[in-house]
Amino acid sequence: EDQVTQSPEALRLQEGESSSLNCSYTVSGLRGLFWYRQDPGKGPEFLFTLYSAGEEKEKERLKATLTKKESFLHITAPKPEDSATYLCAVQAESGGYQKVTFGIGTKLQVIP
Amino acid sequence: ETGVTQTPRHLVMGMTNKKSLKCEQHLGHNAMYWYKQSAKKPLELMFVYNFKEQTENNSVPSRFSPECPNSSHLFLHLHTLQPEDSALYLCASSQAPSGQETQYFGPGTRLLVL
Repeated sequence: EDQVTQSPEALRLQEGESSSLNCSYTVSGLRGLFWYRQDPGKGPEFLFTLYSAGEEKEKERLKATLTKKESFLHITAPKPEDSATYLCAVQAESGGYQKVTFGIGTKLQVIP
Repeated sequence: ETGVTQTPRHLVMGMTNKKSLKCEQHLGHNAMYWYKQSAKKPLELMFVYNFKEQTENNSVPSRFSPECPNSSHLFLHLHTLQPEDSALYLCASSQAPSGQETQYFGPGTRLLVL
């Protein structure tokens, strides 16, 4: 069974204090790993898709990296507007290629 | 704006009511999804439609009935729900099945069952 574990569950940072969120996964053949941002009461907003180990993608203060067992979302010099829940999800080769398994998320709070 | 809209945004219903949730996507996608999101739980996939055909039903109770009249519209018909069905219901869409596709989500409908 595919599994996604995100840590920490919650993270509180001072504005400008860089950190990383972790997503560890267990799948039988990875098709893709996704990062989403979700604000309270809203749907997940797509950030990145990573397909193979060693791949990296960047967007503003966010950088996502992927290894064979985990992914990191690095946040450089965060601002209060980066406060949100960050969701990680994996799409496996087996079990139907449209089945995406989500983690519970990391709730990030950036304090001014 | 992600190109996926959902109505209503909020819904309160009694256990004997019948209501429907609506989703529309403007992205030219051919696959649409319903997810349930409850507090402290990961998103749960409910249904998948490809080219209007249901291809996945993730053991969802029959009180939830999906309908997909075309590739741009998706409905979730609700009847005789239980309080534990209260959650955020999310619609998503993606390109036709290609093996690697990203799902784009709507804003969700916050449902409260009394």
